[in-house]
Amino acid sequence: DTGVSQDPRHKITKRGQNVTFRCDPISEHNRLYWYRQTLGQGPEFLTYFQNEAQLEKSRLLSDRFSAERPKGSFSTLEIQRTEQGDSAMYLCASSPIGRPQDIQYFGAGTRLSVL
Amino acid sequence: KNQVEQSPQSLIILEGKNCTLQCNYTVSPFSNLRWYKQDTGRGPVSLTIMTFSENTKSNGRYTATLDADTKQSSLHITASQLSDSASYICVVSRDGGSQGNLIFGKGTKLSVKP
Repeated sequence: DTGVSQDPRHKITKRGQNVTFRCDPISEHNRLYWYRQTLGQGPEFLTYFQNEAQLEKSRLLSDRFSAERPKGSFSTLEIQRTEQGDSAMYLCASSPIGRPQDIQYFGAGTRLSVL
Repeated sequence: KNQVEQSPQSLIILEGKNCTLQCNYTVSPFSNLRWYKQDTGRGPVSLTIMTFSENTKSNGRYTATLDADTKQSSLHITASQLSDSASYICVVSRDGGSQGNLIFGKGTKLSVKP
């Protein structure tokens, strides 16, 4: 499988617990993005990596959220002390470096439900 | 304010019929406009991407148009199939903007019935 892979596909957790999601981008894609999508809305940008460097973070990414891409390959998104408002689909996308019109290839997402 | 508005919010059509989805944007400065298809429970998949100088682009039964003067785009689906049932998201990129400057619309939910 050469697409963007996300794990797990679904996560149910209790309020206050920590959760971690993983994203494996398409091989050799330098750029990796995290988005959050709630029902009936378009994806909202959270953060972006170029190789291992986290170049941008949205204001949506509160102190409870942290993302890493330690070796410039896979990435993790951790949410600490989850709240019910964190319930959403978390999408990961990757793209190759270069043209400004790069198309982002999305994974299937991780659906988080906070009870 | 940089916004992308899509209409209609939802649409039901019969298999084999054509339909057109609309996207209006107020994003400036404009770089490019993309249409994505998102199946339920899946990530978005790119259909087309158009820059300022492109008026139309096709991908099989999907044809996107762009009027940069009126800041409008449309996605026309010809001879719809049941598998076209999905949300269609319009995304506008700001020129010189960061990667966070992709402005997503809320999508149009299309249902194709037999």
